[in-house]
Amino acid sequence: GENVEQHPSTLSVQEGDSAVIKCTYSDSASNYFPWYKQELGKGPQLIIDIRSNVGEKKDQRIAVTLNKTAKHFSLHITETQPEDSAVYFCAARKVGTYKYIFGTGTRLKVLA
Amino acid sequence: DTGVSQDPRHKITKRGQNVTFRCDPISEHNRLYWYRQTLGQGPEFLTYFQNEAQLEKSRLLSDRFSAERPKGSFSTLEIQRTEQGDSAMYLCASSLMGLDTDTQYFGPGTRLTVL
Repeated sequence: GENVEQHPSTLSVQEGDSAVIKCTYSDSASNYFPWYKQELGKGPQLIIDIRSNVGEKKDQRIAVTLNKTAKHFSLHITETQPEDSAVYFCAARKVGTYKYIFGTGTRLKVLA
Repeated sequence: DTGVSQDPRHKITKRGQNVTFRCDPISEHNRLYWYRQTLGQGPEFLTYFQNEAQLEKSRLLSDRFSAERPKGSFSTLEIQRTEQGDSAMYLCASSLMGLDTDTQYFGPGTRLTVL
C-alpha cells in the first residue's frame, strides 16, 4: 500500500550547521512532494514543495531534492537557527488523487 | 485573522457520546481537507471536499465518522459513539485550486480526548 518513510525521527544540530531529513515513498505514481514544519500547538505549515518533473528546488536556506528512480526526496536546511527547531513532515501525493500520505515526522533541535 | 480556524480547540467527552467539530477555511478556498494526527505521527488523511462535494474519503474512516460542507464554505466533522481510540488532534486544511499549486493551509486543530 501507500507509504512514506521518514528518517531520522530526531535530529540535533549545532546552530549554524546543516540538517538533512530523508523520505522514501512507495507509490511510483506520486508526483507532488511537500514539506511541512509544525510547531507546538499549531497546525503544519508548508515550507517548500517539489514536483516530479523537477530534481531540485531551493528557497533561501531550505532546499529539497528528488530522486524519482530511487523514490527518495530530502529536505536540506543550511545555517540552522534556533527558530528552525520544530517537527518536520514530508508528504507525497499521487496523480489523480487529493490524498496526501505523510511521513512520521522528524523532531529537529537546533542547539545554540 | 484570515487563516483557517477550527472550533473548539479542545474537546473532552465520555465514551459513547457524539461530538462535532467545525472548520472555517480561508475565504474563497474551494478545497478542504480533514486529517487526524496522533502523538508522534504525521497527519492521516480522512476526507477531501471540492466546494460542497466530498470527492475522496479514507477507507480508515468508519461509518461513525461523517463530514459535510453544505454550502462549500465551512465544514463539520461529526464522530458518533466516540471510542477511546478516537482521541487525537483533528486538523482541517484548505487550499485554492490552481493549475500547478495546491498549497494547503492548516488550522490549529481540535484536540479530542475521549475518557
